[in-house]
Amino acid sequence: GENVEQHPSTLSVQEGDSAVIKCTYSDSASNYFPWYKQELGKRPQLIIDIRSNVGEKKDQRIAVTLNKTAKHFSLHITETQPEDSAVYFCAASFLTGGFKTIFGAGTRLFVKA
Amino acid sequence: EPEVTQTPSHQVTQMGQEVILRCVPISNHLYFYWYRQILGQKVEFLVSFYNNEISEKSEIFDDQFSVERPDGSNFTLKIRSTKLEDSAMYFCATERVQGRGGYTFGSGTRLTVV
Repeated sequence: GENVEQHPSTLSVQEGDSAVIKCTYSDSASNYFPWYKQELGKRPQLIIDIRSNVGEKKDQRIAVTLNKTAKHFSLHITETQPEDSAVYFCAASFLTGGFKTIFGAGTRLFVKA
Repeated sequence: EPEVTQTPSHQVTQMGQEVILRCVPISNHLYFYWYRQILGQKVEFLVSFYNNEISEKSEIFDDQFSVERPDGSNFTLKIRSTKLEDSAMYFCATERVQGRGGYTFGSGTRLTVV
């Protein structure tokens, strides 16, 4: 079945350092890859996304890369700040009858001041 | 910014009871989804709904679950006979155009089955 693997499960960085979270997906029909940030007790919120016809996308301190051949995609956060601390979920979406999004298991990011 | 509203925010129910979770989508959104998140775990797809029909469902979405949009505004998830393992956070998600721009998630309903 469809699966999204996400690593690492926990990531601790010093404020100002970069953080990288990596995901792989199994279904080659996946064509849309959103990333969500979830703070404790709150809903997931979309922070950036990338489509299968693009290799890289950047939005200020956040960037996402996609390697369709290898079925890998990654989130890069530069100049991390304490408020970046949260759980980050990658996801892969595809059409199958309806539209379905499979989430990774999440990465708990701690940014130490 | 428009929001997806979910009620109740927290529901405690006895095992075997029926529960209905409600979602009010953003007004011009056409595609609706239910996801659940067991505490500390990942977000899991339950069902997608469009044009008053289920378009996709997961293995979790068995005969105990049903969805409907009875009045054209509320989008509901019903669990007929709750089990302890149904305890989770349930998120409604909506989007205006399928597969464009990510979901807008509701604030969630925490379901506790005792």
